[in-house]
Amino acid sequence: GDSVTQMEGPVTLSEEACLTINCTYTATGYPSLFWYVQYPGEGLQLLLKATKADDKGSNKGFEATYRKETTSFHLEKGSVQVSDSAVYFCALSRNFGNEKLTFGTGTRLTIIP
Amino acid sequence: DAGVIQSPRHEVTEMGQEVTLRCKPISGHDYLFWYRQTMMRGLELLIYFNNNVPIDDSGMPEDRFSAKMPNASFSTLKIQPSEPRDSAVYFCASSFTGGIGSEQYFGPGTRLTVT
Repeated sequence: GDSVTQMEGPVTLSEEACLTINCTYTATGYPSLFWYVQYPGEGLQLLLKATKADDKGSNKGFEATYRKETTSFHLEKGSVQVSDSAVYFCALSRNFGNEKLTFGTGTRLTIIP
Repeated sequence: DAGVIQSPRHEVTEMGQEVTLRCKPISGHDYLFWYRQTMMRGLELLIYFNNNVPIDDSGMPEDRFSAKMPNASFSTLKIQPSEPRDSAVYFCASSFTGGIGSEQYFGPGTRLTVT
């Protein structure tokens, strides 16, 4: 079945450091890939997505590229801020009318000033 | 739009009591999802509906859990009887079949504590 494996946390970085959170997936066909973010005390919200190979999703300075050859969708940001502290979830959906998301376990990110 | 609305935001109840969680999806969305989040098990999909019909309830932990969607604007998740291990944050999410890569919109969650 479908699965998403993401980097174990927690991850602690200093402000302005570079961030990479690894995500790999297993799925047949051509899934869509997502990064969701959960700020403390809130529900998840979409951060970015990519729907086909070599697409790059980007938002709020975060980027991720859909790499079919390595089945990966790593999240990157060049300079993190304290406000980026949150839990990040990688996810995939099968498309073609099946809207169910398969989530990774989440990575807790803490940015210290 | 107000987004996905969940009530109550917090619920504290005693073991054995019935608990009902409520969700109002975004108007026009045709998918509704119920998730449970705990530190131990992470985010789990319990059940989801399409056009008010349950599609996959394989994540519902046991018969004590039930979910209904009587119309397009309302869904409930019921636990009867509740147990301490049901303590978690329960999220409702909705989405629209708008093609490839449809986004799920999450509500703020209901934090359930069973003592």
